[in-house]
Amino acid sequence: QVQLQESGPGLVKPSETLSLTCTVSGYSISSGYHWGWFRQPPGKGPEWIGNLDRGGNTFYNPSLKSRVTISVDTSKNQFSLRLSSVTAADTAVYYCARVQSVAGFKDYFDYWGQGTLVTVSS
Amino acid sequence: QSVLTQPPSVSGAPGQRVTISCTGSSSNIGADYDVHWYQQLPGTAPKLLIYGNSNRPSGVPDRFSGSKSGTSASLAITGLQAEDEADYYCQSYDSSLGGHVLFGGGTKLTVL
Repeated sequence: QVQLQESGPGLVKPSETLSLTCTVSGYSISSGYHWGWFRQPPGKGPEWIGNLDRGGNTFYNPSLKSRVTISVDTSKNQFSLRLSSVTAADTAVYYCARVQSVAGFKDYFDYWGQGTLVTVSS
Repeated sequence: QSVLTQPPSVSGAPGQRVTISCTGSSSNIGADYDVHWYQQLPGTAPKLLIYGNSNRPSGVPDRFSGSKSGTSASLAITGLQAEDEADYYCQSYDSSLGGHVLFGGGTKLTVL
């Protein structure tokens, strides 16, 4: 059974960089699949942040692209998110997920982490 | 960014049938991109409910069904149960701005 677990600071100061890690168990990241990050502000729907494909290529939400970096560490079976220059608007529950990649941009997300709340405040 | 529009709330009594709509545009649902549905119980992560417009993952009851037509999609829940009370989100892909994954705003289902 695939399991994902987000980890990282729960509080980040404005203008600083948010850094989160997703640890995958029950499956080797290097074996395939794509992996993604999402966030969900309080009381709102999920927002896609970006995906990492099996070749290490990244795809980002255009609205966040200038501030986002997603990377992978196959030795630790982890992938990570960095979001720079954060503001209060970046306060949200952040989730990582496994992507079922389907030809024709028909991807969906079948396994999710439990999420971690990140608050941006001084 | 483009949006997928869902009704903020729907409700139904136990045993009834409810539907949740997801309305898009020619750059997402209408461009033949698939629609997927997620159920989110309070305080938990979204759970995949329907993929590829109408397919159920293993373990999802057949009370849940999905359909798509034109620029819209629908999720139907029959034989409503108290445990179905949750938020429901549709998801697709949008070709604008270089392409991106898109979620609807969500629908709160209340079981009366």
